[in-house]
Amino acid sequence: NAGVTQTPKFQVLKTGQSMTLQCAQDMNHEYMSWYRQDPGMGLRLIHYSVGAGITDQGEVPNGYNVSRSTTEDFPLRLLSAAPSQTSVYFCADSNQPQHFGDGTRLSIL
Amino acid sequence: RKEVEQDPGPFNVPEGATVAFNCTYSNSASQSFFWYRQDCRKEPKLLMSVYSSGNEDGRFTAQLNRASQYISLLIRDSKLSDSATYLCVVNMNRFQKLVFGTGTRLLVSP
Repeated sequence: NAGVTQTPKFQVLKTGQSMTLQCAQDMNHEYMSWYRQDPGMGLRLIHYSVGAGITDQGEVPNGYNVSRSTTEDFPLRLLSAAPSQTSVYFCADSNQPQHFGDGTRLSIL
Repeated sequence: RKEVEQDPGPFNVPEGATVAFNCTYSNSASQSFFWYRQDCRKEPKLLMSVYSSGNEDGRFTAQLNRASQYISLLIRDSKLSDSATYLCVVNMNRFQKLVFGTGTRLLVSP
């Protein structure tokens, strides 16, 4: 997958639990991003980063935090999981064009 | 109006058919255009970039019409393996976020 690694691939959480989705890339790309994909909604941008130490909000940032301490890693944190966050999450690097990780299928009960 | 719009389909075509999808975008300042392919329960993968002069990659041809603000994807001699969802993607420049369409589903039948 062009050097983008996401973990875990599947996760089930209870409402109110927190967790971190991991994303790493090995191509030294400055730009990284997180999307969620829901049926009929297409890919929606959650947060993105244009380089280490720089993050910004996308279209649907509420309920999620990110950090970018290194070029390689861009973790996505759910602070208090809600059923509305049940989705498939994709991490991507670069933006011209983007390469996606395998995705994380997250269910919140 | 959505930034990027696509007909969701599905487009049902027999093997060997030619099929075309269009995608319209609202921001006239958009500079980069792509087609991605997404298989069921998989990540999107780049199919091809779309250049101003149009470009071809085997059975796939992409066109850009800046005046009417749309891009197109033509698939000739459809294969069963072409069955997937095709995502139209647009961005203004390398520092801006990509905007994805919701995708057009293609089903190729024997």
